Amino acid sequence: RKEVEQDPGPFNVPEGATVAFNCTYSNSASQSFFWYRQDCRKEPKLLMSVYSSGNEDGRFTAQLNRASQYISLLIRDSKLSDSATYLCVVVSGGSYIPTFGRGTSLIVHP
Amino acid sequence: DARVTQTPRHKVTEMGQEVTMRCQPILGHNTVFWYRQTMMQGLELLAYFRNRAPLDDSGMPKDRFSAEMPDATLATLKIQPSEPRDSAVYFCASGTEDEAFFGQGTRLTVV
Repeated sequence: RKEVEQDPGPFNVPEGATVAFNCTYSNSASQSFFWYRQDCRKEPKLLMSVYSSGNEDGRFTAQLNRASQYISLLIRDSKLSDSATYLCVVVSGGSYIPTFGRGTSLIVHP
Repeated sequence: DARVTQTPRHKVTEMGQEVTMRCQPILGHNTVFWYRQTMMQGLELLAYFRNRAPLDDSGMPKDRFSAEMPDATLATLKIQPSEPRDSAVYFCASGTEDEAFFGQGTRLTVV
């Protein structure tokens, strides 16, 4: 089983839709969690950190469920510019090495 | 605007040739990562340095790959000899505990 697993998609949604991605991780000692965004043929960039209490940044909400070992990303009111691959990232305790999921592809169409 | 710089951006080489990729991390970052990205495997960690010391290179094929940090401003990833299966995008990233900043990558094609 891979350490970080995501549904590759693609998720194909109309503008204005709400879409949610999940990511599961296998190492219960993981301590830091992030969502990165990667545009086509570009480098990954940090979208947001994920805190135990959940956090929101505009249209984006990230949540962590430690008991079930998954994190989620919710995007409300999708824009065309949200089309990208969303990478789940987990950092295990003590290592500070980010482990990436393979990413979930989102396509927002008019 | 601080950024991670990678060279070359693109490299096409013949099988058996040596390939060297370079990375200039962001000044002040004490961790440097090398990742390889392919459609099949996604982002895979190849090597990890902290304060220039290699801490983890278990993801790297040792017989042909080597990673070094000769000084704080330069990290290198070398493949010798290169093989077609090495074709991928190689990313360098530097960072802190809170964020990894990626370079634009080196797109390597081995023919």
